[in-house]
Amino acid sequence: GESVGLHLPTLSVQEGDNSIINCAYSNSASDYFIWYKQESGKGPQFIIDIRSNMDKRQGQRVTVLLNKTVKHLSLQIAATQPGDSAVYFCAENLQGGKLIFGQGTELSVKP
Amino acid sequence: DGGITQSPKYLFRKEGQNVTLSCEQNLNHDAMYWYRQDPGQGLRLIYYSQIVNDFQKGDIAEGYSVSREKKESFPLTVTSAQKNPTAFYLCASSRDRGPGGYGYTFGSGTRLTVV
Repeated sequence: GESVGLHLPTLSVQEGDNSIINCAYSNSASDYFIWYKQESGKGPQFIIDIRSNMDKRQGQRVTVLLNKTVKHLSLQIAATQPGDSAVYFCAENLQGGKLIFGQGTELSVKP
Repeated sequence: DGGITQSPKYLFRKEGQNVTLSCEQNLNHDAMYWYRQDPGQGLRLIYYSQIVNDFQKGDIAEGYSVSREKKESFPLTVTSAQKNPTAFYLCASSRDRGPGGYGYTFGSGTRLTVV
């Protein structure tokens, strides 16, 4: 069935280290993927997106990798900072349909 | 600045009461959505609307109702039929749902508590 899931519910990293948050999706027809960051008590904020005709996209300190062969999406955060502590959601768009969200991974950055 | 505004930020409901959560956007987005988020969990879709005067049930529509009389507004009513309404409610909007997809812009949420 259609589902987007995350491999790890929590991730703890040391400040300055790189973080990798993973996401598995099940629908090979999905054509657009997004990562959102949600801080406590706030709405999710867009971080970065990638379309299915790409396998990598870079932003400021963030990189999204898409592996369509194994239906896997990852978010890499370089030089993780305390302000990066939040819950991160991946979402997939099924060819123009509504977004399907994963459960989320809570990233905790230790000073 | 364009954006999506939810109000109130905190809302308390007595048993048996209906309450309405407001969601307004000035992004000229066609589609709007309501999600419910429980502690430590992901987003669950309640209702969505692609166009004015039209809306569809999401995965957990029971006990909720919506209206879409204006493009800018998509209020959610939590009725007394919703037995466990305490949650964080998020409204979102997007340009359209055509091929290629578009991301959602989220509001800052309303935290509803039953007292």
